[in-house]
Amino acid sequence: ETGVTQSPTHLIKTRGQQVTLRCSSQSGHNTVSWYQQALGQGPQFIFQYYREEENGRGNFPPRFSGLQFPNYSSELNVNALELDDSALYLCASSPGQTNTGELFFGEGSRLTVL
Amino acid sequence: AQSVAQPEDQVNVAEGNPLTVKCTYSVSGNPYLFWYVQYPNRGLQFLLKYITGDNLVKGSYGFEAEFNKSQTSFHLKKPSALVSDSALYFCAVRDGSDYKLSFGAGTTVTVRA
Repeated sequence: ETGVTQSPTHLIKTRGQQVTLRCSSQSGHNTVSWYQQALGQGPQFIFQYYREEENGRGNFPPRFSGLQFPNYSSELNVNALELDDSALYLCASSPGQTNTGELFFGEGSRLTVL
Repeated sequence: AQSVAQPEDQVNVAEGNPLTVKCTYSVSGNPYLFWYVQYPNRGLQFLLKYITGDNLVKGSYGFEAEFNKSQTSFHLKKPSALVSDSALYFCAVRDGSDYKLSFGAGTTVTVRA
């Protein structure tokens, strides 16, 4: 069974640029959610995708957007990067839209904005 | 609204001593509670969860946690800590009707040999 994988692991961008982060969900999981973890803080919920549609969103501006593909993999796109976007971005998958079980996290993509 | 508080930024214990990491929560519905551990530059690893049933839940690596509804707490415990338990620990809560996890700020555990 393959776990959640994310790419790239590290990347550096400059203010104003755009970035795309990718995530492959765990086998059999149809729900993907994204979290932002700033340095020294707990993860913050960005949004969740279920069957290719966004079905929940946290307090993040519209320049944070995403996609989910038919194979349940997902992308997180961030436009007009700001310095405060520097963080570890975590993808998590789960086997249902709302379930009582735990989320399975990837290792994360560390974004540095200069 | 749902939230989690981890009142201690750091916990330091000697190897072999009991370890406790504190967590309190706030939800409007039924709480689903989780503990995760994070090692440096890594993702989150699931330790244990409380959904319903026995208030004492057992998880991975010898960890356990006790759900206390009256005190709205879900403290993580380990009877005998190991140096390898040194890591960052996160408590998280989901309102039973919600889809997102809300995390605490984390507690850094250091176990000295």
